[in-house]
Amino acid sequence: QKEVEQNSGPLSVPEGAIASLNCTYSDRGSQSFFWYRQYSGKSPELIMFIYSNGDKEDGRFTAQLNKASQYVSLLIRDSQPSDSATYLCAVKGASLDDKIIFGKGTRLHILP
Amino acid sequence: GAGVSQTPSNKVTEKGKYVELRCDPISGHTALYWYRQSLGQGPEFLIYFQGTGAADDSGLPNDRFFAVRPEGSVSTLKIQRTERGDSAVYLCASSPTSSYNEQFFGPGTRLTVL
Repeated sequence: QKEVEQNSGPLSVPEGAIASLNCTYSDRGSQSFFWYRQYSGKSPELIMFIYSNGDKEDGRFTAQLNKASQYVSLLIRDSQPSDSATYLCAVKGASLDDKIIFGKGTRLHILP
Repeated sequence: GAGVSQTPSNKVTEKGKYVELRCDPISGHTALYWYRQSLGQGPEFLIYFQGTGAADDSGLPNDRFFAVRPEGSVSTLKIQRTERGDSAVYLCASSPTSSYNEQFFGPGTRLTVL
């Protein structure tokens, strides 16, 4: 059973600080990794995806991937109250046509 | 609008009844996914279609659940003999192809089984 593990939180971070969200996955053959944001009562929306080891930056967001450790993280710099949401880590298998497995999500609360 | 639409937005039914949930994907998207999300959980994969065929139905929990996509566009998720444990938000997502990275989610159908 392929699994994606996240700390459910809540993670409380002061406004302007860096929020760090972490995720581990069980399938060593996984190739594609995603971070979705989900506001309460809304549907998930894609923030970033990454497939190569290392860092990928997009604005205030940085995704980090370490395949050897089966670990992926999301950093949010200069956290804003509007970043308060649940962040879902998702992992796709070795094939591009594989289904995506989601973690349970981490609730992030940015303190004004 | 041009996004994924789902109907109904809310469905309340009684235990043992049959329900159908509809998903209308973004025009031209060949891949369509169904997920179920319970409170405090991430989306749980149910089934996905590439065109008209179910490419992977390994997430359907049992034979009470069935989904179709007869013309490769609209999909219907059918649940027979509903149980209270089926209560959840059912999310549909689509993408241009199954190998495309981003899935575009619809607003979901909240199903409540009394």
